[in-house]
Formats: sequence, structure tokens, C-alpha cells
Amino acid sequence: EALLEESGGGLAQPGGSLRLACSVSGITFDDYAMHWVRQAPGKGLEWVAGLSWSGSSIAYADSVEGRFTISRDNAKNSLYLHMDSLRPDDTAVYYCVKGLGGSYTPHTYFDKWGQGALVTVSS
Amino acid sequence: DIQLTQSPPSLSASVGDRVTMTCRTSQSIGIYLHWYQQKPGRAPKVLINAASELESGVPSRFSGGGSGTDFTLTISSLELEDFATYFCQQSHSGPITFGQGTRLEIK
Repeated sequence: EALLEESGGGLAQPGGSLRLACSVSGITFDDYAMHWVRQAPGKGLEWVAGLSWSGSSIAYADSVEGRFTISRDNAKNSLYLHMDSLRPDDTAVYYCVKGLGGSYTPHTYFDKWGQGALVTVSS
Repeated sequence: DIQLTQSPPSLSASVGDRVTMTCRTSQSIGIYLHWYQQKPGRAPKVLINAASELESGVPSRFSGGGSGTDFTLTISSLELEDFATYFCQQSHSGPITFGQGTRLEIK
């Protein structure tokens, strides 16, 4: 059974940085593309970023392009999201999610989710 | 970006009722449409993929339909555990986008 566990959430100041990590077990991590999806308090879901099994193909939502960096370490079965220039509207629960195949493609849905990590951006 | 509009935003129903909610997309997406259920404080869980394919382990009272721009999620006979928020998601083209959700509440 796949298990995805996020860590690294917390409080950051506007303009600050934070790094989220997601530890994955129960699957062959480097068989799959991985993504981050976020949910602002009381709001809907927003896809943030995704990358292929190798990390060579990456895509970002316009709202985070140039500020956030997604990466992975297959040797550690881990996914990361480095967030810079944080803004109050980045406040959300961030979910680590698994795609269906190894390539980054938008032709996917998310069949495994972590429990989420809360990021709060406030002064 | 493809916009997804879910209706109604909220829905009140009773145990045993049949309910249907809809997801309309801003452009035709074939059957690249998926449905999720989210309970308070929990991560979403995929129920249906490709408009009508039930995920493994999902009860058969859930069904999905539609293609192109108009899609439905139907629960044939509500059980207490079904009261939750439901989201649709398109995977036709990037960026991946979600609807704003339909909240299903107990009447």
C-alpha cells in the first residue's frame, strides 16, 4: 500500500522561503511522475507542479512559476517543493500526489495522496 | 486554461436519496474527466476516472457519465459516509485544473 508523508510545513513571512518534503513508501517511487496539489483554507484544489520519474520533465502552474521549484531524489524515495518569495495567497494545505505513469503529462489523475502539510504565509 | 464549473455548489439530501451533480468544462475534453471525494480534514480520494470508470474499491452506487463538456456524478442511494465534498478534475490539457466542488450535506 502506497504511503505518502509530507513534512516541512509551517509559518513563513511574506517574501520568505520554505521547503516541503514528501517521503514515499509502498511503491516503486522511480516508476512514477509526482505532483504537488494545494488547497487554500475552505477553497478548492489547485495543481501546483509536477515532474517525471527522472525529474527531467517539469511543469508549474503560472501562479508559482519562477518562485517554486519541484525536485525529487529517487535514491531517497522523496519529493520536494522549494518555495521562495512566498505570498499570503500561497497559504494552503500542500498535498504530495502520485500520477499514473512515469512521464510528466497532464493526461493523468492522482490515485494516491499524502495527508497534506499546512503552509501559512503571514507577518 | 480549461475552466471547470461544478453545480450545484451545495446540495442537501437524505440517506437513501439518489443525487446527481454536474461538472461543465470550458472546452471539449473528451472523457479526460475524473471525480474525487473529500471529507473534512482528509485528503481527496479518487472515485471515478475517465468520466465513467470506477476506481477499485469504490462502491457501485457511484457512477459517472458524460463526455465533451458536460459530465455527471451520480450516487444511486446515499449512505451516511457519502456526505462530503466532490471535485472534478480535467486531464485533457495542461495545466491540470479542478472544479470548485459540490458540498453534499445531510438534509
